[in-house]
Amino acid sequence: LAKTTQPISMDSYEGQEVNITCSHNNIATNDYITWYQQFPSQGPRFIIQGYKTKVTNEVASLFIPADRKSSTLSLPRVSLSDTAVYYCLVGDIRGYQKVTFGIGTKLQVIP
Amino acid sequence: EAQVTQNPRYLITVTGKKLTVTCSQNMNHEYMSWYRQDPGLGLRQIYYSMNVEVTDKGDVPEGYKVSRKEKRNFPLILESPSPNQTSLYFCASSSLRTGAPGTSGSALNEQFFGPGTRLTVL
Repeated sequence: LAKTTQPISMDSYEGQEVNITCSHNNIATNDYITWYQQFPSQGPRFIIQGYKTKVTNEVASLFIPADRKSSTLSLPRVSLSDTAVYYCLVGDIRGYQKVTFGIGTKLQVIP
Repeated sequence: EAQVTQNPRYLITVTGKKLTVTCSQNMNHEYMSWYRQDPGLGLRQIYYSMNVEVTDKGDVPEGYKVSRKEKRNFPLILESPSPNQTSLYFCASSSLRTGAPGTSGSALNEQFFGPGTRLTVL
């Protein structure tokens, strides 16, 4: 399993773009990169998943460089409701077995 | 409505008294998993199941048992609970759709989580 490293916490003002980077130096060829969001006392919620280059959906973008050793979750114009913990996961979609969430990045959005 | 349900949501029990936390999903997902969440330790996987009658250990399986007799249900059993099992527990499920990495046909293996069960063992 590829180990991931993320900042423990980040602060951002409302309306700013937030970029959270995750390092995964040992990512394997078949591994996908997935990000989840978790609010206090709730289960995590899927945000976005990608394999390479850039993926965008209605809530976020995921940037993955060519070497895939890192990835960046980008949240455009955050609001107070984006205050949450964000987890980066790396795993093989076909082997989808053990899942390691880690401790995530606690994002605090400030008014 | 597609969902994962857990029961009970809150439970206070005493050391050694066997308990079961139920988990059920209505999305016909093959994959189900249990996690525990503790302050400063994030989410840690206890057990997972790839399909009926197929289960395997996660990172912290000690003191827990699971079974997968039906596709929709994945109960977590604590045969003899101890105070160090006081935690917030989440069940999750996911579909298993495979495809070659990076292809447009690759599916999103999104995990759907239940609302959580807060367990206190005295």
